[in-house]
Amino acid sequence: QKEVEQDPGPLSVPEGAIVSLNCTYSNSAFQYFMWYRQYSRKGPELLMYTYSSGNKEDGRFTAQVDKSSKYISLFIRDSQPSDSATYLCAMKTGGFKTIFGAGTRLFVKA
Amino acid sequence: GAGVSQSPSNKVTEKGKDVELRCDPISGHTALYWYRQRLGQGLEFLIYFQGNSAPDKSGLPSDRFSAERTGESVSTLTIQRTQQEDSAVYLCASSLYNTEAFFGQGTRLTVV
Repeated sequence: QKEVEQDPGPLSVPEGAIVSLNCTYSNSAFQYFMWYRQYSRKGPELLMYTYSSGNKEDGRFTAQVDKSSKYISLFIRDSQPSDSATYLCAMKTGGFKTIFGAGTRLFVKA
Repeated sequence: GAGVSQSPSNKVTEKGKDVELRCDPISGHTALYWYRQRLGQGLEFLIYFQGNSAPDKSGLPSDRFSAERTGESVSTLTIQRTQQEDSAVYLCASSLYNTEAFFGQGTRLTVV
């Protein structure tokens, strides 16, 4: 079993839809949770960074962490074609090593 | 520097040749990571450095792959006797302790 599981998609939604992206994990020691966005032929860029359980909102993006269920989510409101990308979840226990999910490909249709 | 810099951005090499990929992390970042991303795939962990030492090199696929880091700065990933299955984007990232990782734009390696 991988430490971090993420559905690779692709996920296709119409413009304006609410998008829900999710990851599950097995290591209960993970404390730091991140979401990265990667456009085609580019390096991943950090979207959200959260510590422990709870919600964090930034504009149209909300990151949610449920440590009891070992489940994290990224919600995108009012999705736009420019949100079409691969979204990677990532997490770490503390210290240095970061574990990434495989990424979910998202397509937002105009 | 302002961000993580990787060079070259693209590399085409013949099967059997050795290649060196370079990463310049963000200044002051003590952790440095190498990942491989095959076309349409997720990130595959290769190795990470804490300072100049590599506590975890479990992701290196074979003994043809090696990496070093000098002066808590630049890192090079070397692939010897390249094979076609080595074709991928090689991504480097750096971070401080307990902070998020920042990525470079990657080196796209094509083995022909």
